[in-house]
Amino acid sequence: EAQVTQNPRYLITVTGKKLTVTCSQNMNHEYMSWYRQDPGLGLRQIYYSMNVEVTDKGDVPEGYKVSRKEKRNFPLILESPSPNQTSLYFCASSLTRTGGEQYFGPGTRLTVT
Amino acid sequence: QQQVKQSPQSLIVQKGGISIINCAYENTAFDYFPWYQQFPGKGPALLIAIRPDVSEKKEGRFTISFNKSAKQFSLHIMDSQPGDSATYFCAASVGGGGNKLTFGTGTQLKVEL
Repeated sequence: EAQVTQNPRYLITVTGKKLTVTCSQNMNHEYMSWYRQDPGLGLRQIYYSMNVEVTDKGDVPEGYKVSRKEKRNFPLILESPSPNQTSLYFCASSLTRTGGEQYFGPGTRLTVT
Repeated sequence: QQQVKQSPQSLIVQKGGISIINCAYENTAFDYFPWYQQFPGKGPALLIAIRPDVSEKKEGRFTISFNKSAKQFSLHIMDSQPGDSATYFCAASVGGGGNKLTFGTGTQLKVEL
């Protein structure tokens, strides 16, 4: 089954404790991105990647890092989480930047206390 | 600055009625306008999309109306069903559906029996 998977689905952590949210897709997609969803704000792009080793900032990149060492994986790293990063995070992928639709993962609900 | 403005924030419609959600955009470079449907606990999924060279697109009970001069587009759900109850997001992108999506703030639709 073609899909985007994320782990963990739920995470509660404390301020400053480094964490990684994993994202993997099995569709051989080139383009992957991370969004955060907040009430009243919709979804906003954090980072994106056009292919292996090619990443760039989206609209709200502060406090986040990403890497793309393999085509299928695009982890989101919070090196020193803060309470304002409490949010619902979605990973998405598409065949290319210009082609096709974006497929979203099931989401990761992160709470930082 | 919200580049894509969506209204209403919430909507209650009787079964069999028409649901209408509106969006307005500012960036005239946008050339792809999708609508995403999101059920609780799930990621957004593409429902229907339109490009600005057409004024309307219909897929089953779902229709997008697009007004390029007014920079507005809307989603109409005909014969609304309880299974349509979800959050709907309009979005826009430059260069196609795979690229960064700029989302509206979402509309929570409830279809009552």
